[in-house]
Amino acid sequence: EIVLTQSPATLSLSPGERATLSCRASQSVSSYLAWYQQKPGQAPRLLIYDASNRATGIPARFSGSGSGTDFTLTISSLEPEDFAVYYCHQRSNWPRAFGGGTKVEIK
Amino acid sequence: EVQLVESGGGLVQPGGSLRLSCAASGFTFSNFGMNWVRQAPGKGLEWISHISSGGDSIYYADSVKGRFTISRDNAKNSLYLQVSGLRAEDTAVYSCARGGWWIDYWGQGTLVTVSS
Repeated sequence: EIVLTQSPATLSLSPGERATLSCRASQSVSSYLAWYQQKPGQAPRLLIYDASNRATGIPARFSGSGSGTDFTLTISSLEPEDFAVYYCHQRSNWPRAFGGGTKVEIK
Repeated sequence: EVQLVESGGGLVQPGGSLRLSCAASGFTFSNFGMNWVRQAPGKGLEWISHISSGGDSIYYADSVKGRFTISRDNAKNSLYLQVSGLRAEDTAVYSCARGGWWIDYWGQGTLVTVSS
């Protein structure tokens, strides 16, 4: 079973700053990693799939990188609507798994 | 517009059972694998089960294997989750989610509360 570990648990930043979120897999997931954004009371939204591909309608300020066991989600300049919880998710092996999440909060 | 609407949640005693349903619309249901994902109050996402488009491939998280059963009825555009042997730690919002590769649409979920 693959375990995804996200860090940090909480990221306190101001609008306009750059956010860097990390996801580490307990074994290689190749590039089969996605990132989701979830706001309170809402369903998650797919941001990035296959490690680095932006989903439909996702702004260019969101980018993903990495392969194997280490992945990064970068938000180049935080907008007010970007403050949320972010989850990584792997589909390399069954059972699938989500990371524990990183909360990006307003500093 | 893709819509996924869950139902069937509620308050159940430890050891009890429920059948959760998900009504899908706005897409060709029989073409997509489907999933159940849950989220305990104030906690993160937990993937719990997947069924392929034709229903022939099924997978479960270890935490629910042997207690939960996923199924689908493509003629009714519906997904199901039979949950049994419920424990307090199964308390969560259960959501159905579309995706054989990546999950791209989610329902709002139905709350299952396990308590005596």
